Amino acid sequence: QKEVEQDPGPLSVPEGAIVSLNCTYSNSAFQYFMWYRQYSRKGPELLMYTYSSGNKEDGRFTAQVDKSSKYISLFIRDSQPSDSATYLCAMIKLGGATNKLIFGTGTLLAVQP
Amino acid sequence: SQTIHQWPATLVQPVGSPLSLECTVEGTSNPNLYWYRQAAGRGLQLLFYSVGIGQISSEVPQNLSASRPQDRQFILSSKKLLLSDSGFYLCAWRPRERSYGYTFGSGTRLTVV
Repeated sequence: QKEVEQDPGPLSVPEGAIVSLNCTYSNSAFQYFMWYRQYSRKGPELLMYTYSSGNKEDGRFTAQVDKSSKYISLFIRDSQPSDSATYLCAMIKLGGATNKLIFGTGTLLAVQP
Repeated sequence: SQTIHQWPATLVQPVGSPLSLECTVEGTSNPNLYWYRQAAGRGLQLLFYSVGIGQISSEVPQNLSASRPQDRQFILSSKKLLLSDSGFYLCAWRPRERSYGYTFGSGTRLTVV
């Protein structure tokens, strides 16, 4: 079983829709939860991070973490064609020298104008 | 501000040829450095990480190697490429005091023919 599971999509929505992206994980030791956005042929860029459980909002983006269910979500309001990209969830379990970043496989999102 | 440079952006190499990918970070000292590989539908796989000059840890057994000859320079190498080495290679860094602060380079798309 993979430590982090993410539906690869693709997910196609009309412009202005609310997008919900999700990941589940199996290791309760994860403490930092991140969402990265990756445009085609580019490196991932950090969108948001959350420490432990709770919600975090940044403009049109909201990240939620439910550690009891081992489930994290990213919501995008008023989606735009420029939001079309692959969205990767990632998690860190603290401890050791590296605090390794474990990724989901990514969900490909297409926002249709 | 800190920046990360990775080159080349695209590379086509024959099977059995050597490989050298370079990554440099500017504007910081003593970063943790990472090499990831991204295959289609498989997310990002950590290959190597380094917490200091000359200190390399390998995550995945393979015919690749990494070196850190200077504090802000990280090199990924191979003596003889295999077809299975094709993929998108990403260098990343993070400051030691910030567990979640990974920043990725723009990546190198390697095709072994």
